[in-house]
Order: sequence, then C-alpha cells, then structure tokens
Amino acid sequence: KNEVEQSPQNLTAQEGEFITINCSYSVGISALHWLQQHPGGGIVSLFMLSSGKKKHGRLIATINIQEKHSSLHITASHPRDSAVYICAVRSIQGAQKLVFGQGTRLTINP
Amino acid sequence: DGGITQSPKYLFRKEGQNVTLSCEQNLNHDAMYWYRQDPGQGLRLIYYSQIVNDFQKGDIAEGYSVSREKKESFPLTVTSAQKNPTAFYLCASSIASVASPLHFGNGTRLTVT
Repeated sequence: KNEVEQSPQNLTAQEGEFITINCSYSVGISALHWLQQHPGGGIVSLFMLSSGKKKHGRLIATINIQEKHSSLHITASHPRDSAVYICAVRSIQGAQKLVFGQGTRLTINP
Repeated sequence: DGGITQSPKYLFRKEGQNVTLSCEQNLNHDAMYWYRQDPGQGLRLIYYSQIVNDFQKGDIAEGYSVSREKKESFPLTVTSAQKNPTAFYLCASSIASVASPLHFGNGTRLTVT
C-alpha cells in the first residue's frame, strides 16, 4: 500500500464546477504539499501546509492531521486548470524526503 | 527571474552510453534534488544534496551518479548500469529548512533505445 493515496486518479468536469481532489497518507508528517504539473511536465508548488486551511485565488487546500487527510478544492473551474495535481508529504522520519502520490489528472471542458 | 533550468528538454541516447542531465538554479538554494517520474507512479527520489560537495542517495540511486561542485549546479549522470533509464527526470531545489517549499525545473525527457 502506498504511503500517499490520491483520489480520484482521473477527473473530468465542466467549466465552472467545484472540484475536490483528496489525499490520504499513512505516516506522520511535518508538512504536506500540493503541486500542479502541466502537460509540458514542469511542476509548480501550489501550497505547503501543516495544519488548517490555505487559500490562493480560486484554490483552497485543507488538512486534517488527526485523520491524515488533505483536500484540494478549485472553485469556478476553468479549462486552464487542466493539469495533474500531486500531493506530497514530508515524513517526520525522513525529513529531507518527500513521498509523492500518483497524481490526479484533471480535465476541465469548456 | 529566479528559477531552475534543466537542459535539454528532450534527450535521446543509445543503450550502453552514459548521459548527463543538467540542472542549474539561481535561487540561492542550498538543497537540490533529482526525481524520476514514470507513468502511473509518483515521483521517486534519486539523489539529493543539502550543501556543496555533499550529497546523499535517495530511494532509487542505483545506476545514477551526481556531483555538487557549485551551489548553483547539480548535474545527474545516468550510467549504462541503470537498467531502465527511459523516464522523465525532474530537478528541484529548496532553501535548507525542511519546512520550505520545493521549486521544480521543467524536466528532461530521456529516451534510451
């Protein structure tokens, strides 16, 4: 079983819909990252959080440390949001290593 | 603009040849990382370096080598000993603190035939 599991693996939605991507992990962590990978391959860091909730524009990330679960929400989704979203956790054991989820491929149709 | 530059974007090699992937950053970050990405799998750590002239093996270091002679540069050599080298390779950097976000390059897609 992977230490970081994302769901769903693939998600297709219409423009304007509210999107939720989930991340569950099984290890103790010091931080959780949400990353965005566009078709060209480059990765952008969206959020790093260790508790509570963060918001940037139409993106919201939440984390529940007790339940070992995080969600990434996108409000008023747009075709330019189409990308692979990756959850990664920094384990408290391997402090310099991130453990990555397999990613969620999001497609927003106009 | 500060960032990480990986070159080339696409690289083709014959089996049995060593190949070096370039990674340069001008963010003044102490820590640098190399990851490998395969279809359907999460990123896996190959090597990382927290300071010049020092580096550590990651989870899949066999068949790879690195050097860190300058703070800005962390080249990765894929040797002929790597059994399945065709993959997408990503370089990243961060400030030394473990609580800092990662900055990624745009990646190099290596194809070995």
